[in-house]
Amino acid sequence: ETGVTQTPRHLVMGMTNKKSLKCEQHLGHNAMYWYKQSAKKPLELMFVYNFKEQTENNSVPSRFSPECPNSSHLFLHLHTLQPEDSALYLCASSPIGPSYNEQFFGPGTRLTVL
Amino acid sequence: ILNVEQSPQSLHVQEGDSTNFTCSFPSSNFYALHWYRWETAKSPEALFVMTLNGDEKKKGRISATLNTKEGYSYLYIKGSQPEDSATYLCAFSGTQTGANNLFFGTGTRLTVIP
Repeated sequence: ETGVTQTPRHLVMGMTNKKSLKCEQHLGHNAMYWYKQSAKKPLELMFVYNFKEQTENNSVPSRFSPECPNSSHLFLHLHTLQPEDSALYLCASSPIGPSYNEQFFGPGTRLTVL
Repeated sequence: ILNVEQSPQSLHVQEGDSTNFTCSFPSSNFYALHWYRWETAKSPEALFVMTLNGDEKKKGRISATLNTKEGYSYLYIKGSQPEDSATYLCAFSGTQTGANNLFFGTGTRLTVIP
């Protein structure tokens, strides 16, 4: 166990649905991340939050909307997704500091968009 | 997007064999190189974070080396065991892309045959 939990673990949604992914950590970290892994592609960073402020948005379409209400929780709100958005979505957290702080990952949410 | 390459893509070894794989990354603006171990249906777990050229790190039967001048890192597993079966990911961070921005390779999938 890494101390980072994600819910749900699996999600199937239609293109017109609205759903949210949830991530939670109680490791005392102040940085949280959303990553996407599509089939046969590397993990891609989507969003970074430091002290609840978004510091990175790697050209992610607006149909993905992150929210970080506090340092322990991170959400990814999904609406009008496309089938190509089907992927594994991973959350991670880390202390804020030099880049050589390791990131702690959750187990991911497997998303299927029909 | 920075190019981080891992080879081989997959590897099958017999129990007891030693093995190694490679991570190649940009040699300029280097900050840190991370290695993660990712078992199926679990969370990626950090193995090593390496920052200095010539660094060598060891954890049990697993060790890693780093050459920042030529842009590569090797991961070694001595006397592979079935429980070593996993995907091994490396991730690069650079001074120009920000401390929290990790660029991952696609991983090396290791299967250890009992």
